[in-house]
Amino acid sequence: EDQVTQSPEALRLQEGESSSLNCSYTVSGLRGLFWYRQDPGKGPEFLFTLYSAGEEKEKERLKATLTKKESFLHITAPKPEDSATYLCAVQAVETSGSRLTFGEGTQLTVNP
Amino acid sequence: DGGITQSPKYLFRKEGQNVTLSCEQNLNHDAMYWYRQDPGQGLRLIYYSQIVNDFQKGDIAEGYSVSREKKESFPLTVTSAQKNPTAFYLCASSLDRAAYNEQFFGPGTRLTVL
Repeated sequence: EDQVTQSPEALRLQEGESSSLNCSYTVSGLRGLFWYRQDPGKGPEFLFTLYSAGEEKEKERLKATLTKKESFLHITAPKPEDSATYLCAVQAVETSGSRLTFGEGTQLTVNP
Repeated sequence: DGGITQSPKYLFRKEGQNVTLSCEQNLNHDAMYWYRQDPGQGLRLIYYSQIVNDFQKGDIAEGYSVSREKKESFPLTVTSAQKNPTAFYLCASSLDRAAYNEQFFGPGTRLTVL
């Protein structure tokens, strides 16, 4: 059974204080790992897809990295508008229908 | 603008009633999905469909039903058999190709049972 564990559950940062969110996964052959951002009361917004260990992707202050067992979402010099819940999901090679298994998310708060 | 729409945004249901949540996409995506999200939890898959007139159960299908008569539409019915239906419901779609399988989400419907 595919499993995704995100840590920490919640993270408070001061504006400009860089940090990382962790996503550990267990899957029988990884097809892809996905990061989403979700604001309260809204649907998740797609951020990144990573396909193989060693891959990195960047978007503004966010950088996602991937190893064979975990992914990190690095946030550099965050701003209050980066406050949101960040969700990680995996898709297994054997999965039918592009099914995703989600973690429970990390709730990030960036204080001004 | 291309995207996924869900309606209504808020829905209130009395116990014993069936309700239907709407999901429409104009992205020409093949696959569509329904998820349920409870406070402080991740998304759990209810049903998904890869092509018209075909769908599969997800991890928590009991008490729910779906149809896929058109590529653009994937309505979800929450039946009276669903024991605890109060939740945030999210619809998503994807191209369902090997290299382009990101799922894109609608804005969600919040269902409350009175």
